[in-house]
Amino acid sequence: GAVVSQHPSWVICKSGTSVKIECRSLDFQATTMFWYRQFPKQSLMLMATSNEGSKATYEQGVEKDKFLINHASLTLSTLTVTSAHPEDSSFYICSARTGTGNTEAFFGQGTRLTVV
Amino acid sequence: GQNIDQPTEMTATEGAIVQINCTYQTSGFNGLFWYQQHAGEAPTFLSYNVLDGLEEKGRFSSFLSRSKGYSYLLLKELQMKDSASYLCAVRDRRGSTLGRLYFGRGTQLTVWP
Repeated sequence: GAVVSQHPSWVICKSGTSVKIECRSLDFQATTMFWYRQFPKQSLMLMATSNEGSKATYEQGVEKDKFLINHASLTLSTLTVTSAHPEDSSFYICSARTGTGNTEAFFGQGTRLTVV
Repeated sequence: GQNIDQPTEMTATEGAIVQINCTYQTSGFNGLFWYQQHAGEAPTFLSYNVLDGLEEKGRFSSFLSRSKGYSYLLLKELQMKDSASYLCAVRDRRGSTLGRLYFGRGTQLTVWP
C-alpha cells in the first residue's frame, strides 16, 4: 500500500501555544486528506476533509479557527492546533487518498498531543 | 448522518474463530471498511466491501448485506497478535463529502492462550 508519513509522532506543549502536525503522502499524490481525532478508548472522529488547493470542510462542532488546516500541495497537509488547551490532548491521525470514487485511504502513524 | 454500532469488547482463545458484527445507518453508502488498530498506533486496513457477499483474505473474511445495513468480520485461527481493536467504518458518498470515512467505536478483541 501507499505510505503516509505523519510528523511528529508525539508532542508536548504548553497551554496557550500552537502546534503544527504534518501529513505527507510519500509515494502518491493525495488529492484529499482527512484529519481525525481519537480520545482514549474512543473511535476516530472525523474533524475535517481537505482537498488540495481549496478550503477544508469541517465537521459539525469542530472549530475551524482553532484547528487550522492547510493543503497547499498534493503531498502535504498540515493541521495547526491554535491556543492549545489540555482538553485538546488527544491522538490525531491523518489519512490520504488519491483521486475520487472507490479509492482506499491510507493512514499516517498518528500524533500523540499532550497539552500541559 | 452516520450511526455505526459494534460491540465494545470480545474475548476468544487462540486457534478459535471469532465474528465481530457491525450495523450501520447512513444517508449515503459507498463501501464498508474494517481496520485493525493496536493501542497507540494508527489503523491498518483489513478489508473492504461495497457489494453484498463475502470477501475472503487469508485468515480474515468480511461480509456485507446492504439491505440489512450489516457487516461482520470473521477471524479464523486466532493468534495472540490478533488482540487489538477492530474498527468498522462506512464511507460516505454524498456530493462534496464523497469519500469520508465514519468509524464505529471499535471492538476490543482479547485473545487468550
